[in-house]
Amino acid sequence: GAVVSQHPSRVICKSGTSVKIECRSLDFQATTMFWYRQFPKQSLMLMATSNEGSKATYEQGVEKDKFLINHASLTLSTLTVTSAHPEDSSFYICSARAGAPRTNEQFFGPGTRLTVL
Amino acid sequence: QKEVEQNSGPLSVPEGAIASLNCTYSDRGSQSFFWYRQYSGKSPELIMSIYSNGDKEDGRFTAQLNKASQYVSLLIRDSQPSDSATYLCAGSRNQGGKLIFGQGTELSVKP
Repeated sequence: GAVVSQHPSRVICKSGTSVKIECRSLDFQATTMFWYRQFPKQSLMLMATSNEGSKATYEQGVEKDKFLINHASLTLSTLTVTSAHPEDSSFYICSARAGAPRTNEQFFGPGTRLTVL
Repeated sequence: QKEVEQNSGPLSVPEGAIASLNCTYSDRGSQSFFWYRQYSGKSPELIMSIYSNGDKEDGRFTAQLNKASQYVSLLIRDSQPSDSATYLCAGSRNQGGKLIFGQGTELSVKP
């Protein structure tokens, strides 16, 4: 149980284009999902908290107009990187908060490696 | 001061030894703590969660929490080369709330 998938696993795009990443909880409903970014040799940095049916809460310094988050259902959240630039190249990972009795635990998707040329 | 601090390592132990990973946190409001394992190029995998003072054991892993000292640790007994990874400590203020991660400790288990 508590399986989270992400798609795509790897994407290469040209500068200025937009990229959408999907995060799905496969065997449980997730009212809350989280989006992280990880640069090489660094720890995970939380970008935003995504709540089903409401606006995402962004961390300080994260541009909400650049990183669009939609959580339209209890099993799907999407992150769209708009007008991507080389500095947006990173490992993007989502996590989903498990349901009872494991509501304190977050399970991570396999991640999406984004390379912007 | 970082909210969650770990020694970056690398920590090197021989196969079969006990690996001890440590973590301190500054936010006294943190209630829940987690240890994740992350292999190179992969996403984190939850190993242990601990919410109350004391020890919690699961197989070869033991998590220890001391809220008075604001200290969390993870012991790995009978370390195996497959345990070689980066171990991330994370804390959370609220049930199911956002996680604050440490920078991770790289563990290398030598055959």
